[in-house]
Amino acid sequence: AQTVTQSQPEMSVQEAETVTLSCTYDTSESDYYLFWYKQPPSRQMILVIRQEAYKQQNATENRFSVNFQKAAKSFSLKISDSQLGDAAMYFCASRADNDMRFGAGTRLTVKP
Amino acid sequence: NAGVTQTPKFQVLKTGQSMTLQCAQDMNHEYMSWYRQDPGMGLRLIHYSVGAGITDQGEVPNGYNVSRSTTEDFPLRLLSAAPSQTSVYFCASRSTGYNQPQHFGDGTRLSIL
Repeated sequence: AQTVTQSQPEMSVQEAETVTLSCTYDTSESDYYLFWYKQPPSRQMILVIRQEAYKQQNATENRFSVNFQKAAKSFSLKISDSQLGDAAMYFCASRADNDMRFGAGTRLTVKP
Repeated sequence: NAGVTQTPKFQVLKTGQSMTLQCAQDMNHEYMSWYRQDPGMGLRLIHYSVGAGITDQGEVPNGYNVSRSTTEDFPLRLLSAAPSQTSVYFCASRSTGYNQPQHFGDGTRLSIL
């Protein structure tokens, strides 16, 4: 079975600054995929970024990037130039085969 | 662009009542799944389906039934609701290929008294 741990229940960042959200995972699978999802108050689950475990290069999507450390089983999310609209719950997730596991989430507050 | 549609958005049940949460997708995705989201616990997989006629259990399947008679629909049934099933339920779908992202519905908030 997989497990995903997000050790930061809450984080805050000043608008325009950079923040990093932590995620560690554990899996015995060799083929797996990692995701970060954003959930604003509207309750929608929005894909932020994804990473294939077999790729060494860290994924990047505009202001969002990951630091994927496979040996350490770490998958952190960096948000650059934070905007008010980034305020939300952020969930880290791991998927292997048809099993997808989510972390408990980190609530991000953006201060103007 | 309907995507994944869940109905209803809100529901209150009494203990012991039965209920079906509906989920439909119009993207011709083969894989569909149901999650529940509880405070402080993230999303947990209840059941999933890799195609019409095929279903399997996820992490927390007890108390829930599913069926998949068409590619588009994947209903979730609570046969005898219990207060422990009070949660927000999400349906999701994706195309085949494990790197494909899941598309989520807007969720159903279910309260069981």
